[in-house]
Amino acid sequence: SYELTQPLSVSVALGQTARITCGGNNIGSKNVHWYQQKPGQAPVLVIYRDSNRPSGIPERFSGSNSGNTATLTISRAQAGDEADYYCQVWDSSTACEVFGTGTKVTVL
Amino acid sequence: QVQLVQSGAEVKKPGASVKVSCKASGYTFTSYDINWVRQATGQGLEWMGWMNPNSGNTGYAQKFQGRVTMTRNTSISTAYMELSSLRSEDTAVYYCARSLAAAGSMDVWGKGTTVTVSS
Repeated sequence: SYELTQPLSVSVALGQTARITCGGNNIGSKNVHWYQQKPGQAPVLVIYRDSNRPSGIPERFSGSNSGNTATLTISRAQAGDEADYYCQVWDSSTACEVFGTGTKVTVL
Repeated sequence: QVQLVQSGAEVKKPGASVKVSCKASGYTFTSYDINWVRQATGQGLEWMGWMNPNSGNTGYAQKFQGRVTMTRNTSISTAYMELSSLRSEDTAVYYCARSLAAAGSMDVWGKGTTVTVSS
């Protein structure tokens, strides 16, 4: 089955840039979506189809996808960006959605 | 506004079944798929399956095949997820989330339903 690997944690200084990676075999050929989840809350979509932001998501959130790695970038990180982040793709070979392992982002 | 409202918390004994509901409002229920995703305490997101409310077609993760059933009642814009033969490892928060189609992003999520399996 298809696997998505994310770093367990990423730390970023206030106002700096955080990059969260999502590794998968030839992930560049798939559409990658990213979710933010704060403690005790449901996930929120922050990037869809690699690099598109839903309405209401700040421009500070951006995404890219190529080769075997997709990346979510948070620019000018704020305290409110502290959360768990998950990538997600559709695995057509098994007809299943697959979530990444999740990354905890800490803003220092 | 667009929202998915889930049923309340459940406590079940091992071997029992649970049925969680997800009521849609603010959009055309039959125009979006409904996914079910669960999350055990301190763990990541786990996709369970999807249902097309228009056709009733479903697709389940292999892990849950034979134990999960996803249905809907279009007259009340409500989707259901039933999980049988519960075990302690099924203790988790269960979310419903809509997507435009398979491979689409899940843009609206319910707040989650806590299911506790305990003897």
